[in-house]
Amino acid sequence: ETGVTQTPRHLVMGMTNKKSLKCEQHLGHNAMYWYKQSAKKPLELMFVYSLEERVENNSVPSRFSPECPNSSHLFLHLHTLQPEDSALYLCASSHWTGELFFGEGSRLTVL
Amino acid sequence: DAKTTQPPSMDCAEGRAANLPCNHSTISGNEYVYWYRQIHSQGPQYIIHGLKNNETNEMASLIITEDRKSSTLILPHATLRDTAVYYCIVRVADFGNEKLTFGTGTRLTIIP
Repeated sequence: ETGVTQTPRHLVMGMTNKKSLKCEQHLGHNAMYWYKQSAKKPLELMFVYSLEERVENNSVPSRFSPECPNSSHLFLHLHTLQPEDSALYLCASSHWTGELFFGEGSRLTVL
Repeated sequence: DAKTTQPPSMDCAEGRAANLPCNHSTISGNEYVYWYRQIHSQGPQYIIHGLKNNETNEMASLIITEDRKSSTLILPHATLRDTAVYYCIVRVADFGNEKLTFGTGTRLTIIP
């Protein structure tokens, strides 16, 4: 138990669906992150929020839309995804200590 | 951020010390060395980090060479639960905004 909770753990969606991934951290951290891990590829940083402000967006397609309503919650809204977007989506949080705390991930399959 | 080089895979006998090397020959003076691991189908887990002094915590020890161009993560008594992919990352610390770049890491297999 890392203190970072992701839901759902598994999601199957069609290319025309709209769905959202949710992340919640109970650690009092001030920064939150979305990473993507495709099969046999390294983790890729997608978005960073620091003090609820987006500070990084690594050229992620607009079909992925993040939202950080407060320092404890982070969402990733998904719309008209492609099959190649199937991956493990990992949320993480950090504070002033240099450590990232990751959730268990949401495994997404796009049909 | 400096690039790191790690062997793609290693085996270690259960109960022995596992020594995982990492080369970071282009590291600059203000870059830290971080280690994380990822057990199959789970999120990565922070292990340890250091700047130039050797560090130890309840999970592992980190030995950084004097010229800081390489480091070794030591798991003193490896167990089967230490089987995982281990990532060595170097970057400038920006506490509260950790944009870590993960490579392919070392797949460590602990042999019973």
